[in-house]
Amino acid sequence: EAGVAQSPRYKIIEKRQSVAFWCNPISGHATLYWYQQILGQGPKLLIQFQNNGVVDDSQLPKDRFSAERLKGVDSTLKIQPAKLEDSAVYLCASSLYRGETQYFGPGTRLLVL
Amino acid sequence: SQQGEEDPQALSIQEGENATMNCSYKTSINNLQWYRQNSGRGLVHLILIRSNEREKHSGRLRVTLDTSKKSSSLLITASRAADTASYFCATDAGGSYIPTFGRGTSLIVHP
Repeated sequence: EAGVAQSPRYKIIEKRQSVAFWCNPISGHATLYWYQQILGQGPKLLIQFQNNGVVDDSQLPKDRFSAERLKGVDSTLKIQPAKLEDSAVYLCASSLYRGETQYFGPGTRLLVL
Repeated sequence: SQQGEEDPQALSIQEGENATMNCSYKTSINNLQWYRQNSGRGLVHLILIRSNEREKHSGRLRVTLDTSKKSSSLLITASRAADTASYFCATDAGGSYIPTFGRGTSLIVHP
């Protein structure tokens, strides 16, 4: 069974630029999560999808971050414009359903200069 | 705010010893999960324990859950150098099962 795929693996941008991350969850998984993990901290949930609907986006900075999951499969997370404090690893995870085991992708390491 | 908080923040032991780390949380939960993260790598799921369960085992791992104390513990027996990693607990609560991770315990196992 293929795991969660993410791209790109690394990204370096300057502040005020925009960036997009892509995630392909495990086939058949209804729930998809985006997390931000700052060095030395635990992952912070940004947004949780159930199929193509948003379950929770209370910690998503909506003035600059947006996410979508069209057709309930792949998802993209966008930052526009980026700030220095957005430097982090962005993790995508999926689970068969809410509350079940989450399977994580390798993450995208973002550096904002 | 962090729902689950791991303790200790850092743990250093010798190979062969047991490692115990704890997770405390504040509100009632549906499930509690433990994850491992090696340096520079993604998170790997270890064990999921539901709120109506008290103990689960997986190989050298033992997880307990005490809902009256709102705490869980992860025991790694006969540790190996390869167990060196950060360990996180994640709780989910409410009808929407929103997951929240703690800050993690950094475990170093010396060969």
